Amino acid sequence: DAKTTQPNSMESNEEEPVHLPCNHSTISGTDYIHWYRQLPSQGPEYVIHGLTSNVNNRMASLAIAEDRKSSTLILHRATLRDAAVYYCILRVSNFGNEKLTFGTGTRLTIIP
Amino acid sequence: EAGVAQSPRYKIIEKRQSVAFWCNPISGHATLYWYQQILGQGPKLLIQFQNNGVVDDSQLPKDRFSAERLKGVDSTLKIQPAKLEDSAVYLCASTTGPGRIGNSNYGYTFGSGTRLTVV
Repeated sequence: DAKTTQPNSMESNEEEPVHLPCNHSTISGTDYIHWYRQLPSQGPEYVIHGLTSNVNNRMASLAIAEDRKSSTLILHRATLRDAAVYYCILRVSNFGNEKLTFGTGTRLTIIP
Repeated sequence: EAGVAQSPRYKIIEKRQSVAFWCNPISGHATLYWYQQILGQGPKLLIQFQNNGVVDDSQLPKDRFSAERLKGVDSTLKIQPAKLEDSAVYLCASTTGPGRIGNSNYGYTFGSGTRLTVV
């Protein structure tokens, strides 16, 4: 399974931007980069995904390196509700059979 | 739209007993997944359905776990008999399906999960 590497934990101050890094050096050309987050006692929640170009949505931005071997999830202005475990995942396609393989993620703590 | 529904929310059973979990995906979602999440770890895929057919069950411990998705809608996951190490949150997720490679316009929606404790 294609793997990603993330820091185990990060801290950020409330109302400041947060940059969550992810390395995926074995990514292949058809693998999409997905980010999900999991709040306490809830299932994972879709945040954003991309293939090659940077992506923006109402929740976050995704910056993808030119060689696609790394990416960064950007929360522009962190709030206490953003405290969660963030997972960087490669959506691997195999003859139309696609699945998400989760790692251990980054636990983000927001400091008031 | 309504989310992915799972029940029960919590379940406590003794080892060697059996248990079943139910999942109702988002209407129209062809692909359904069951994940197991042990405390402190990321979710681990157990089984993937496309409509009512199994696409991937390579990680499913088939000596004790079984799953079905009759009529390509609701799904049930069963454990019989349960072991202490089966204590985990069982998550169901659905998506519109992979379609063609390059069809990127979908994310996966997860339910809140069923927390199983085996004592």
